[in-house]
Amino acid sequence: GAVVSQHPSWVICKSGTSVKIECRSLDFQATTMFWYRQFPKQSLMLMATSNEGSKATYEQGVEKDKFLINHASLTLSTLTVTSAHPEDSSFYICSAGGDGREQYFGPGTRLTVT
Amino acid sequence: AQSVTQPDIHITVSEGASLELRCNYSYGATPYLFWYVQSPGQGLQLLLKYFSGDTLVQGIKGFEAEFKRSQSSFNLRKPSVHWSDAAEYFCAVGLYSSASKIIFGSGTRLSIRP
Repeated sequence: GAVVSQHPSWVICKSGTSVKIECRSLDFQATTMFWYRQFPKQSLMLMATSNEGSKATYEQGVEKDKFLINHASLTLSTLTVTSAHPEDSSFYICSAGGDGREQYFGPGTRLTVT
Repeated sequence: AQSVTQPDIHITVSEGASLELRCNYSYGATPYLFWYVQSPGQGLQLLLKYFSGDTLVQGIKGFEAEFKRSQSSFNLRKPSVHWSDAAEYFCAVGLYSSASKIIFGSGTRLSIRP
């Protein structure tokens, strides 16, 4: 149980375009989902917390207009990187909150912006 | 402010030797504690977790960790490492006051010497 999927697993896009990453909880309902960013050889950095049906809460320093988060249902949250640039290339990981104590992590999405 | 410290950036141990990865946290109450492992290019895998009760926690792959409140530590141990244990290890603290928000340590890279 508690499986979280991400799609796509990797994506290459051209500079200036937008790309959407999906995060789904497959076998449970998640009122809270989290989005992380991880640079090579670094730890996970929390970007934002999304709650179903409400606006996401962004961490300090994360651009809301660049990283659009939508949590439209209890099983789906999406992260859209708008007007992507090479510096946005990174590994993006989502997670879903279960019982308020633990998060269940997706496998990650590698974004490369050329 | 809450924080998680993993003082060892990189550790190398011989195959078959014992392992201890250090983790210290700063939090105003008893936190939820986690250890995750990440192989290159992969997502996170939960090794073990502590919520309450017995302070010695058994996890998967032969790992265990001990919560020591007096030292604010949650060190990860394994009696005999295998070459497949080479990976990045992250200690994390769950903030139950923030709806399962998790703070990650900076990680420890484990290399195995043949």
